[in-house]
Amino acid sequence: DQQVKQNSPSLSVQEGRISILNCDYTNSMFDYFLWYKKYPAEGPTFLISISSIKDKNEDGRFTVFLNKSAKHLSLHIVPSQPGDSAVYFCAASGGNSGGSNYKLTFGKGTLLTVNP
Amino acid sequence: DGGITQSPKYLFRKEGQNVTLSCEQNLNHDAMYWYRQDPGQGLRLIYYSQIVNDFQKGDIAEGYSVSREKKESFPLTVTSAQKNPTAFYLCASSWGAGGEKLFFGSGTQLSVL
Repeated sequence: DQQVKQNSPSLSVQEGRISILNCDYTNSMFDYFLWYKKYPAEGPTFLISISSIKDKNEDGRFTVFLNKSAKHLSLHIVPSQPGDSAVYFCAASGGNSGGSNYKLTFGKGTLLTVNP
Repeated sequence: DGGITQSPKYLFRKEGQNVTLSCEQNLNHDAMYWYRQDPGQGLRLIYYSQIVNDFQKGDIAEGYSVSREKKESFPLTVTSAQKNPTAFYLCASSWGAGGEKLFFGSGTQLSVL
């Protein structure tokens, strides 16, 4: 039962264009969402997060949008740069069912390739 | 520099052998976690600890054991009962255990000989 889904295993965009990475979730108890970036053979690094009380959060070139009714969030990177090429993981937490608010549930990731 | 240090970077395990992966943090974080990543998969939680001398099973704890004797350290032992141990193991920490932002180490790649 995959509660956080990233349905696109990979995405390729041209440098300078917008990258849009999508994430869907099924657990309506999730109330906090994060995006992590991961290079090969390294640990993920935190990118940006959003609370369920918001529908948008922006940090420089990165913007996360949350659509609670659709249980969907997306990460926009604009403009995309070759250094953005990495795997992006969506993660979610929240709810008190079984004490589950302690942990993050991760999607399988999307490999973003930004071509020069 | 504050951070999380995992060692070794690469580890090989023989059949029937227990191996221990080290994780140390100097961020003064209360909570620590172990995740496993398999190719094409997301990160799956093995164990987590909210405070010293306490830890809880995650989603895939079978075949693993942990200890939390010090706030800074959270070693993971992959036992011989773990039949498919080959994976990339990630240690993480956070201020609390409320599912907020995690800080990750650089990982350990475990392979079976």
